[in-house]
Amino acid sequence: AQSVSQHNHHVILSEAASLELGCNYSYGGTVNLFWYVQYPGQHLQLLLKYFSGDPLVKGIKGFEAEFIKSKFSFNLRKPSVQWSDTAEYFCAVISYSSASKIIFGSGTRLSIRP
Amino acid sequence: EAGVVQSPRYKIIEKKQPVAFWCNPISGHNTLYWYRQNLGQGPELLIRYENEEAVDDSQLPKDRFSAERLKGVDSTLKIQPAELGDSAVYLCASSSGTSGRDTQYFGPGTRLTVL
Repeated sequence: AQSVSQHNHHVILSEAASLELGCNYSYGGTVNLFWYVQYPGQHLQLLLKYFSGDPLVKGIKGFEAEFIKSKFSFNLRKPSVQWSDTAEYFCAVISYSSASKIIFGSGTRLSIRP
Repeated sequence: EAGVVQSPRYKIIEKKQPVAFWCNPISGHNTLYWYRQNLGQGPELLIRYENEEAVDDSQLPKDRFSAERLKGVDSTLKIQPAELGDSAVYLCASSSGTSGRDTQYFGPGTRLTVL
């Protein structure tokens, strides 16, 4: 079955540490890839997306993600986190071959120690 | 630009009772989605509308769930009767395209508790 895996359920970092959250998917073929973020008490917001072109995508608030097709991965990175990055992060994938159904990962909770 | 509006924000009901959720998408967005998000999980698609047409309802438990999007704008999701396992956050999202592959904009959700 098609799936999206986020292996880190809870990540705890200190401010200024570097961040990398993993996302792997099981689809073949053409995909659209997304990272959404949910800050405490707020709704899901788009952080960044990849549709085509440069596999290194830059999003809001200094986040970036790299699409590595051979590894079926779309990991999220930030060189220096801030306390305000505390949130839940969801990777999502739409496969062109699956009737355009979006599948979300189970999320990674990021806690930043001030 | 106003975002996706959902109401109510919270709902507590007893099992076997009916419940309804309402969603108003971003103006001009043709595609509307309903999701269910269980605690500790990502959202799971229940139904996708393109204008008035439900183009993907394969994940909607049709024995107790129903949805409508009259006039292709706002939408209602209903559960009748509710079961304990229906406790979750119900999210509505919308997008401007009709391919199903566009960026989705989410509402704040309705947190349903079934006692």
